[in-house]
Amino acid sequence: KAGVTQTPRYLIKTRGQQVTLSCSPISGHRSVSWYQQTPGQGLQFLFEYFSETQRNKGNFPGRFSGRQFSNSRSEMNVSTLELGDSALYLCASSPRERAGSGYTFGSGTRLTVV
Amino acid sequence: SQQGEEDPQALSIQEGENATMNCSYKTSINNLQWYRQNSGRGLVHLILIRSNEREKHSGRLRVTLDTSKKSSSLLITASRAADTASYFCATDAGQGAQKLVFGQGTRLTINP
Repeated sequence: KAGVTQTPRYLIKTRGQQVTLSCSPISGHRSVSWYQQTPGQGLQFLFEYFSETQRNKGNFPGRFSGRQFSNSRSEMNVSTLELGDSALYLCASSPRERAGSGYTFGSGTRLTVV
Repeated sequence: SQQGEEDPQALSIQEGENATMNCSYKTSINNLQWYRQNSGRGLVHLILIRSNEREKHSGRLRVTLDTSKKSSSLLITASRAADTASYFCATDAGQGAQKLVFGQGTRLTINP
């Protein structure tokens, strides 16, 4: 069974640019959530999608957005990149068949903004 | 914002010894989960304990949960060099939406 696939693994962007990250969940998993990990703030929740609907959003500016497609694949977009957006972005999927399922995380996309 | 604190922030022990990490949280939870992360890679789910459970075992892992104190501990017995990693607790408040709130993590080093 394939795991959660995140692409690309590494990305270098310039301030002011925008970036799109992709996440393919485990087959059959309908919930996809995104997290940002930085040395200073740790792991922080960005948003969660279930059946193409955003159900929850963390405390991030509107420059951070996402979407989910009918095949459950998800993308997140960051516009007008800032140096502070440099982070490891992790995607997690869950079957959400019942409350309290564990999550399966991808290997992450390491974004560097210069 | 972080849910709570993990203690210690770093732990270094000899191979074969037991490692204990503690986690405190602030709000009511549906469950608490522990994850391992190797060198800035993805998180690996280790164990989940529900709010109505007090203790859970999985192989060399033992997790306890005290909801009255809003705290949890992870014990790794007979540690191995491969256990070297960062360990995070994460709380799930449930209520329909998938959202984990993570602690700052404990960096565990197992010395051969």
